Amino acid sequence: EIVLTQSPGTLSLSPGERATLSCRASQSVAGNFLAWYQQKPGQAPRLLIYGASSRATGIPDRFGGSGSGTDFTLTISRLEPEDFAVYYCQQYGSSLETFGQGTKVEI
Amino acid sequence: QVQLVQSGSELRKPGASVKVSCKASGYSFSRYAIDWVRQAPGQGPESMGWINTNTGKPTYAQGFAGRFVFSLDTSVTTAYLQISSLKAEDSAVYYCARDTLGAADPFDYWGQGTLVTVSS
Repeated sequence: EIVLTQSPGTLSLSPGERATLSCRASQSVAGNFLAWYQQKPGQAPRLLIYGASSRATGIPDRFGGSGSGTDFTLTISRLEPEDFAVYYCQQYGSSLETFGQGTKVEI
Repeated sequence: QVQLVQSGSELRKPGASVKVSCKASGYSFSRYAIDWVRQAPGQGPESMGWINTNTGKPTYAQGFAGRFVFSLDTSVTTAYLQISSLKAEDSAVYYCARDTLGAADPFDYWGQGTLVTVSS
């Protein structure tokens, strides 16, 4: 099983600032099949990024993904008030997907 | 439009069982697997496994074989998660989600979640 470790656990920022979230895998993620999700309280996770760097349909271009192998990054270039949420990475390159433990972006 | 609509919240006593449904609509049901994800209070999502909507074959993640059963009723494009011998630690929100069969794809659509509470 591929273990995903996210850092930091919590990121305290202000609107307009840049957020950089990290996701490290215990072994190389096949095909860079790495996704990022946003989750707000009481809601299901929402797909933001897939294939490490491709934005899902309708996702604003202030969200960007990068990385390969075992190290991946989600960047939010300028935080909007609606971006304060918890973010999870997921690898889906193996037969059973796994998630990271999450990074909370708070004001 | 694509929708996955789950059944409502459930309250059960320890040792009982529960069955959660996930009704799919707006797409070709047999082209996408249905995945099940558990999220305990204050925790991250945890993949439980998935079911092949063509063959009905379930695949369970480690720790979810035995008391957890995935099933389908293709006539009504609905997937089910049954949990037996419920324990307090099974209290969580359970989500269904879809991903493309036969391809490495993320979970692009999710159900709204079903809260299962196990308490005496």
